[in-house]
Amino acid sequence: TQLLEQSPQFLSIQEGENLTVYCNSSSVFSSLQWYRQEPGEGPVLLVTVVTGGEVKKLKRLTFQFGDARKDSSLHITAAQPGDTGLYLCAGLYNAGNMLTFGGGTRLMVKP
Amino acid sequence: GAVVSQHPSWVICKSGTSVKIECRSLDFQATTMFWYRQFPKQSLMLMATSNEGSKATYEQGVEKDKFLINHASLTLSTLTVTSAHPEDSSFYICSASTGTTSTDTQYFGPGTRLTVL
Repeated sequence: TQLLEQSPQFLSIQEGENLTVYCNSSSVFSSLQWYRQEPGEGPVLLVTVVTGGEVKKLKRLTFQFGDARKDSSLHITAAQPGDTGLYLCAGLYNAGNMLTFGGGTRLMVKP
Repeated sequence: GAVVSQHPSWVICKSGTSVKIECRSLDFQATTMFWYRQFPKQSLMLMATSNEGSKATYEQGVEKDKFLINHASLTLSTLTVTSAHPEDSSFYICSASTGTTSTDTQYFGPGTRLTVL
């Protein structure tokens, strides 16, 4: 069973601060995805990273895939209350399409 | 495009009853559908994978006789929680994919909150 560890589990910050969420595994991903989930709703895909060392930006969000494709990070610049939610990383291993989710990072941005 | 719906969005039932949850891909054909369970303040845990027209593959620890999955068409999969008990109370989320490889994106439904009294 592949394990995905996310850290931190909880994060409470003030509006305007920066933050980074980490996702780590001992196994190599074929690709990795980041999702954001609001209470009572399904997760919404933010980004998919495939290539080792890849960096993708989505407005104030920067996603990085480790060179060895075993880890990833999500950096949010100047966080806003609207960024509050549960952030989930999910990895795809080998050629299949079965996602393994990390434990999630619950982010609260206070105005 | 790529919308997945779930019905009902919220259900409350008595202990011992069975509950059916539907997952539909509205504008695409889903070769594969996945069912997840999410307990409060926790992440998604995969329960089973189903391919249209074949038996579902269940993850370790998930009772196939309790969680019946039917993927009868390319746009519909159902999860039936049989003889539900309070510990089955959870948020059930489905996702649908157009294929079986890592390049085929999973599209998630909005979830169904099940409360068993």
